[in-house]
Amino acid sequence: EAQVTQNPRYLITVTGKKLTVTCSQNMNHEYMSWYRQDPGLGLRQIYYSMNVEVTDKGDVPEGYKVSRKEKRNFPLILESPSPNQTSLYFCASKNTGTSGYNEQFFGPGTRLTVL
Amino acid sequence: AQKVTQAQTEISVVEKEDVTLDCVYETRDTTYYLFWYKQPPSGELVFLIRRNSFDEQNEISGRYSWNFQKSTSSFNFTITASQVVDSAVYFCALTLAGGTSYGKLTFGQGTILTVHP
Repeated sequence: EAQVTQNPRYLITVTGKKLTVTCSQNMNHEYMSWYRQDPGLGLRQIYYSMNVEVTDKGDVPEGYKVSRKEKRNFPLILESPSPNQTSLYFCASKNTGTSGYNEQFFGPGTRLTVL
Repeated sequence: AQKVTQAQTEISVVEKEDVTLDCVYETRDTTYYLFWYKQPPSGELVFLIRRNSFDEQNEISGRYSWNFQKSTSSFNFTITASQVVDSAVYFCALTLAGGTSYGKLTFGQGTILTVHP
C-alpha cells in the first residue's frame, strides 16, 4: 500500500530534550516536506526537500532541522524543543514528474506537546 | 507570495441543511492548483478535490460541489443536505505549478464545521 508513515504519532516531552520525528514514504517520491498545524493558522511549511541531500527552508524553519540521506526518509529534528513548538506535524511527499500535477500524499500526523 | 483566506472560523448547522464554505485566494501566477482537504476528528488529512487554474468548470460529487470563479479569486465548497459525519475541519489550499515555491501548499486557516443531529 502506498503510504507516508510518521513516528511517533504522539509525543509529550520537556523543554530542551532533543527529539526526532521520523517520516518515511514507499512511493519513490523525490519531493518531501514537513508542515505544522496550529489553530487559526492552518498548516505552514517548515522544510522541504527536492531530492536526496537537497533541502531548503519553508515558511517557519526556526528551531527545526532536517536531513535527507535516503530518498524514502525525511526526519524532522528538534534540537532543543520549546513550548511554542507544541503542534500537530504532518509529513508529505509527491512525485516531481513533469506532466501535469502529481498528487501530494500526507502522513497521519504527529501530535507533539512540549512542556 | 500566495495567500489563502477562509474567513469563516466556525460554522454550525443542523443536519440536512446546506452549507457553503468560503475560500478566497491571492496569487500573481497564472498557473496554479486549488484544493480542499477534510480533517475529521481523527486528525488525518483527507483530499477532496483539486482544480487547476485553467479549468473553471464547477464540479459535483454526490453531496459535495465546488464553485471556482477566477474573477473573484474564490473556490467555494458546498455540502448539500449535511450529515453529522461531515463534521470536521475543512482546509482550502493553493500550490503553484512551478518556480521556487514548487510543491508547497499554502493553506487557509481552516473552517470548523459542526453538524448537529
